[in-house]
Amino acid sequence: DTEVTQTPKHLVMGMTNKKSLKCEQHMGHRAMYWYKQKAKKPPELMFVYSYEKLSINESVPSRFSPECPNSSLLNLHLHALQPEDSALYLCASSPDLLAGGYEQYFGPGTRLTVT
Amino acid sequence: AQSVTQLDSQVPVFEEAPVELRCNYSSSVSVYLFWYVQYPNQGLQLLLKYLSGSTLVKGINGFEAEFNKSQTSFHLRKPSVHISDTAEYFCAVSDTGGFKTIFGAGTRLFVKA
Repeated sequence: DTEVTQTPKHLVMGMTNKKSLKCEQHMGHRAMYWYKQKAKKPPELMFVYSYEKLSINESVPSRFSPECPNSSLLNLHLHALQPEDSALYLCASSPDLLAGGYEQYFGPGTRLTVT
Repeated sequence: AQSVTQLDSQVPVFEEAPVELRCNYSSSVSVYLFWYVQYPNQGLQLLLKYLSGSTLVKGINGFEAEFNKSQTSFHLRKPSVHISDTAEYFCAVSDTGGFKTIFGAGTRLFVKA
């Protein structure tokens, strides 16, 4: 199974809502990532978890809160978002973080619209 | 610090013609290089990667890329494209420490009938 799954596929939320994005992989990968991708732009790294510990936080606003409950799951909790946070949110995983030669496996993304 | 430059934002090409998508990188350390493809409304998928060894790398869907250290380039090629190759292509680099992957701005390949 070389698949990364993400739910939901689409999400519309108001600026006062709280919602969560979910990502799951069963490849035994120990590094997991959240990216934000605006239209016609490359993915921008938000967070990286390595062995279930947060390794990189790219100065992301606190209204985005990541969580890694176990080695297969990655969540992104959303609260008080702004319209400019509307984007495609991509989850990815790779076998390990410290060996940079590993490619990342991406999920299909969650299309988020903040109204 | 590393950076990646994709020299063309859009490349239109006719079906069955060859194509080259250009990528240059800069880094003061050894790097690993990747090409990813993104079809509409999907995540990214790895086409190929260069870690070491032979400078000509073959990937999926008939794509190949050549690593040129002296020119710091990693151009992607396909001898004959299909309509289904229409997508966004991203060149990416990570250093051998591996913490972060830096993506280029992307090249939109548009294959015309």
